[in-house]
Amino acid sequence: GENVEQHPSTLSVQEGDSAVIKCTYSDSASNYFPWYKQELGKRPQLIIDIRSNVGEKKDQRIAVTLNKTAKHFSLHITETQPEDSAVYFCAPAGGGYNKLIFGAGTRLAVHP
Amino acid sequence: EAQVTQNPRYLITVTGKKLTVTCSQNMNHEYMSWYRQDPGLGLRQIYYSMNVEVTDKGDVPEGYKVSRKEKRNFPLILESPSPNQTSLYFCASSLGAGVMNTEAFFGQGTRLTVV
Repeated sequence: GENVEQHPSTLSVQEGDSAVIKCTYSDSASNYFPWYKQELGKRPQLIIDIRSNVGEKKDQRIAVTLNKTAKHFSLHITETQPEDSAVYFCAPAGGGYNKLIFGAGTRLAVHP
Repeated sequence: EAQVTQNPRYLITVTGKKLTVTCSQNMNHEYMSWYRQDPGLGLRQIYYSMNVEVTDKGDVPEGYKVSRKEKRNFPLILESPSPNQTSLYFCASSLGAGVMNTEAFFGQGTRLTVV
């Protein structure tokens, strides 16, 4: 099955700094690369996604970049704010597997 | 409003007492799945369903059952709950899986405690 790894598992930054979270996957047929944000006590929600025919996508302060050759994609958050504090999950999909596998999550803490 | 609805939100039960957690979606999604979330382990898939009457095991199916008799509903059944099934459970739905994969929409979560 698909192997998904996220790094780092925890990340602590000062408000205004940038944060980068990386997700590596094993299925070269994957073609959908989303990032989900889960705030404390809430459900995961999609914040940005990218398909395999695109190398980068940006939405205000967040961006996702994809390197299909190396089989990894990354979440970039610029000018971090305290409300960015949450757990972030990647879930590469669209390949030969019908299971939807999530990474183990990255806990981001943004300190004022 | 497009949504996935789980019930109950909180449940405390005793070992061995059968329980069902309901999940319903109003988006006409084909793919539905159940996850459990435990500290440090992320979201682990229990079961998934590609469509009505089509279900399959995820990564941690032991001790759980599911059914998909209607497209909108996907209940999770614990026939004989044990304390190691104490966890936070999420139901999710999406348009499809495999090459049809799209955004997953999650229910509010069910916090289950088995004593």
